[in-house]
Amino acid sequence: DIVMTQSPDSLAVSLGERATINCKSSQSVLYSSNNKNYLTWYQQKPGQPPKLLIYWASTRESGVPDRFSGSGSGTDFTLTISSLQAEDVAVYYCQQYLRTPRTFGQGTKLEIK
Amino acid sequence: EVQLVESGGGLVQPGGSLRLSCAASGFTFSSYWMHWVRQGPGKGLVWVSRINTDGSSTSYADSVKGRFTISRDNAKNTLYLQMNSLRAEDTAVYYCAREGDRGYIWGQGTLVTVSS
Repeated sequence: DIVMTQSPDSLAVSLGERATINCKSSQSVLYSSNNKNYLTWYQQKPGQPPKLLIYWASTRESGVPDRFSGSGSGTDFTLTISSLQAEDVAVYYCQQYLRTPRTFGQGTKLEIK
Repeated sequence: EVQLVESGGGLVQPGGSLRLSCAASGFTFSSYWMHWVRQGPGKGLVWVSRINTDGSSTSYADSVKGRFTISRDNAKNTLYLQMNSLRAEDTAVYYCAREGDRGYIWGQGTLVTVSS
């Protein structure tokens, strides 16, 4: 199984400042046939299902604000929120969808400092 | 608009059974792999099971293998999860999810509570 490890587990950032969440996979999630990383980022607010933010490691889902960006390849990935807004308070998860079982990171709780 | 609506959750005693359903609309259901993911109280997301487009191939997490069965009815645009021999640790919100090239689209979830 591919193990996904996020860091940090929790993060407190001031409004307007940058937030950075890391995700490391135990095996590469790069699919050589199309050169795409099968890595997604989800945002989950209390009482709601997860919401897709980023797919293929760096492609923003339609409707997601451009302050959210994803980067990385192979085994190391980053989600960056360039200027934190109050509505970004949530838990963020990375997931690999290259191999079965699909696996998630443990989540990173983002709060306002 | 893509919609996934889960149902069938509730309170069940240890050792009991439940069948979850997920009604899909707004897309060609038979063209997508479908998954179940669960989230225990205050916990993270855990993948449970997946099924391919025609139901001929399934996979399960080790924690549910032999107890849970995923299935689908493409004529009814519905995904199922039959859960037998339920344990307290199966208590969770169960989400169905459509998997595409862009990852998952999620339903709202249904709560399963296993308790005496």
